[in-house]
Amino acid sequence: KNEVEQSPQNLTAQEGEFITINCSYSVGISALHWLQQHPGGGIVSLFMLSSGKKKHGRLIATINIQEKHSSLHITASHPRDSAVYICAVVRSIYLNYGGSQGNLIFGKGTKLSVKP
Amino acid sequence: NAGVTQTPKFRILKIGQSMTLQCTQDMNHNYMYWYRQDPGMGLKLIYYSVGAGITDKGEVPNGYNVSRSTTEDFPLRLELAAPSQTSVYFCASSYSRENTEAFFGQGTRLTVV
Repeated sequence: KNEVEQSPQNLTAQEGEFITINCSYSVGISALHWLQQHPGGGIVSLFMLSSGKKKHGRLIATINIQEKHSSLHITASHPRDSAVYICAVVRSIYLNYGGSQGNLIFGKGTKLSVKP
Repeated sequence: NAGVTQTPKFRILKIGQSMTLQCTQDMNHNYMYWYRQDPGMGLKLIYYSVGAGITDKGEVPNGYNVSRSTTEDFPLRLELAAPSQTSVYFCASSYSRENTEAFFGQGTRLTVV
């Protein structure tokens, strides 16, 4: 079983719809990232959160640490939101020479297509 | 700001050839990473570096090597390319530990034939 599971894998919506993408994880984490991968391939960071909720424009991300679950919401979706949305969790690992470093574990992504 | 710059964007290699994927960041980030993305799979960590002169293996390091002689540059070397190394490669950087935003390059699509 993957340590990070996203659902759905694919999502088609009509312009204006409210969209929810879910991320569940099975490991202890210190933070969670939501990333957007454009059709051209580039990846940009949308949110990083360790508790509660964050909002940026039409995007809202929430996390429930106890339930090991996060959601990404898009309000009033638009065709330009079409992209792959990736959830990544931060699991701390201990380095050979001492100290620690967070290791990102990525979900497989949710492909969103918003139709006009 | 350029951010994280990867070159080349595309490359076709023959089996057994070698190449270096270049990655440069201009944000003075200590932490740099190389990932590969295979179809239908999440990104996997190949190697990472926490500063100049310090590198360590990630989840899938076999067939690759890295070096970090400066803060800005983190090249990834493929020796004796194999078809299993066909993938999209991403370089990323972050200022500090894991709880900070990561910045990604545009990716390099590599095909080994």
